[in-house]
Amino acid sequence: NAGVMQNPRHLVRRRGQEARLRCSPMKGHSHVYWYRQLPEEGLKFMVYLQKENIIDESGMPKERFSAEFPKEGPSILRIQQVVRGDSAAYFCASSPPLRQPEQFFGPGTRLTVL
Amino acid sequence: GENVEQHPSTLSVQEGDSAVIKCTYSDSASNYFPWYKQELGKRPQLIIDIRSNVGEKKDQRIAVTLNKTAKHFSLHITETQPEDSAVYFCAATGANNLFFGTGTRLTVIP
Repeated sequence: NAGVMQNPRHLVRRRGQEARLRCSPMKGHSHVYWYRQLPEEGLKFMVYLQKENIIDESGMPKERFSAEFPKEGPSILRIQQVVRGDSAAYFCASSPPLRQPEQFFGPGTRLTVL
Repeated sequence: GENVEQHPSTLSVQEGDSAVIKCTYSDSASNYFPWYKQELGKRPQLIIDIRSNVGEKKDQRIAVTLNKTAKHFSLHITETQPEDSAVYFCAATGANNLFFGTGTRLTVIP
């Protein structure tokens, strides 16, 4: 049973470009969460999604950031017009149906903005 | 919203000694408290968790205690080994997500 998958593992973008981060949850999991981790800091919640629905995006910046979890395919976190401050590790986590609280993390995408 | 505080930020222990990391939370509605271990450059790994209807849980060398009245919970690692060296994060449930502490860097000195 494969764990949570994320790609790419490393992503380098220049200021002003777009970054697309992908997350495939564990098999059987229907809830996806995105977190951001700055160097030497904890994880900060960004958004919680179920298939085709954004449930809670209270941690997501209002501009340039968007997320989706389509009926088919992975969840995508999209950052438009990246700035240096977007450089961080972005982790996706998934949890089983029925709102069980355990969350299992993917390996993360390390975004570097030049 | 929930606020989770974690102490200490760094902890060094001799191999074989015990390590204790403490967290407090603010939202009395939180009912699930996991602990994650994160090695450098790796994903956070769930190592133990406790729910609000339980006061203590143990799994081999690690244990977690919860005091709901005081709103604090702790991670205890006994007989520490060098491979326990990592950053440890506590967390508490919010409405739709986990709120994380700021992490404790544990170093086990051989």
